[in-house]
This record gives sequence, structure tokens and C-alpha cells, in this order.
Amino acid sequence: GQQLNQSPQSMFIQEGEDVSMNCTSSSIFNTWLWYKQDPGEGPVLLIALYKAGELTSNGRLTAQFGITRKDSFLNISASIPSDVGIYFCAGVYYGGSQGNLIFGKGTKLSVKP
Amino acid sequence: DTGVSQDPRHKITKRGQNVTFRCDPISEHNRLYWYRQTLGQGPEFLTYFQNEAQLEKSRLLSDRFSAERPKGSFSTLEIQRTEQGDSAMYLCASSFTMNTEAFFGQGTRLTVV
Repeated sequence: GQQLNQSPQSMFIQEGEDVSMNCTSSSIFNTWLWYKQDPGEGPVLLIALYKAGELTSNGRLTAQFGITRKDSFLNISASIPSDVGIYFCAGVYYGGSQGNLIFGKGTKLSVKP
Repeated sequence: DTGVSQDPRHKITKRGQNVTFRCDPISEHNRLYWYRQTLGQGPEFLTYFQNEAQLEKSRLLSDRFSAERPKGSFSTLEIQRTEQGDSAMYLCASSFTMNTEAFFGQGTRLTVV
């Protein structure tokens, strides 16, 4: 089935630094979603992308839907301690199994004050 | 609307017992998804519903797992004869249509002892 490759697996950065993570697949997706998850909680939706090439911002977060529809990236500018958590990409595609919404394995972000 | 609600938040059960989890999606959301998440991994798809129809269940982990959404509103996930390997976070998400944002509940943490 479809798989999403998310990288990096983990990042240790200094407060104030910018962060970039991405998600790639060999399959085409119709929608890309980015989530953040804190320990013991469900994922919280950060950004949704619907069109190839689309660039969307949410505060310090910016995400893009790749032109090929096979990738997406998320940038966080000027990181702060509360950005700590695990970030997941998720892709929606038409057809196939898995309910059309599948997840990457996550990027764990640690921020040093 | 208060978002996706899951109950209970935590469940400790003895091996061999049956457990049932409930998910109340955002009202008017037609799609409802169940995922399992183990430590350090992304959400793993289990099954999904479009209204009351269960459109994909081949990903349920074994025949001990079953899900229902009898009236197209809330859903239940049942695990029969629990095993220690069933210990995980069980997440529910809902969306309005196939290609719109999916919102998650806070999850049910299952511990099988």
C-alpha cells in the first residue's frame, strides 16, 4: 500500500532556529495534512493543503504541497520551547484501502532554550 | 461543537478480557476513522466508516477487533480476548468528506496486564 517517508526522524535545535521537515512518497496524494502531537494526546491539525504547489501559513508555520503531488514540507520559523512534540504528515488519496488517509512515522522535535 | 470525543481516556484490563471504546465524531462529519498508535510510531490505520457503512476493515489487526457505527453517528471499537500486544493508544478521527481535514480525539490509552 501507499507509504509516506517522513524525515528527519528527530531534530535537536536551539530556541530561535528555523526548522524544516518533509514527507515524500512514490504515490500521488490529493491532500496533505500536517499534525502535531504532544505526549498522551491525539494529533492536532496544523495545516491542510489541497492543491499542488499550494503554500499555506499558520503563524510561524509554513507548509507546501509539492508540484509533483508526491511530497510536502513543513517549516517552523523562530522555534520556541512549546514547539516541542512530534510532527506527522498525512496524505489523502483517492482509491485503494487504508481509508484514504495515511501517516508518516513522525519527526520528533526537541528545542533547547 | 466540542470536537471529537473518545471514551474512556484510559483503560487497564486483564489479558483475556473484552474491551470497548467509544468515539463521538464532530457532528455532521460523515467519515470516521480508527487508528492504533504504539510508542514512537505514527498512527496505524485500522478501519473507517462513511456514514454507517464500514468501507474498509481489512486492516483490522485480527478477527478479535471489530468496529461499528450503527446510526452513522458515534462508533465503537471492540477488542475481544485482549492480549498484551494490544496495549497501545487507540485514536479516532472524523472528517466531513474524503478530501477534507480529519480531526482527532484525544485517544484511549489501553494497557493490558
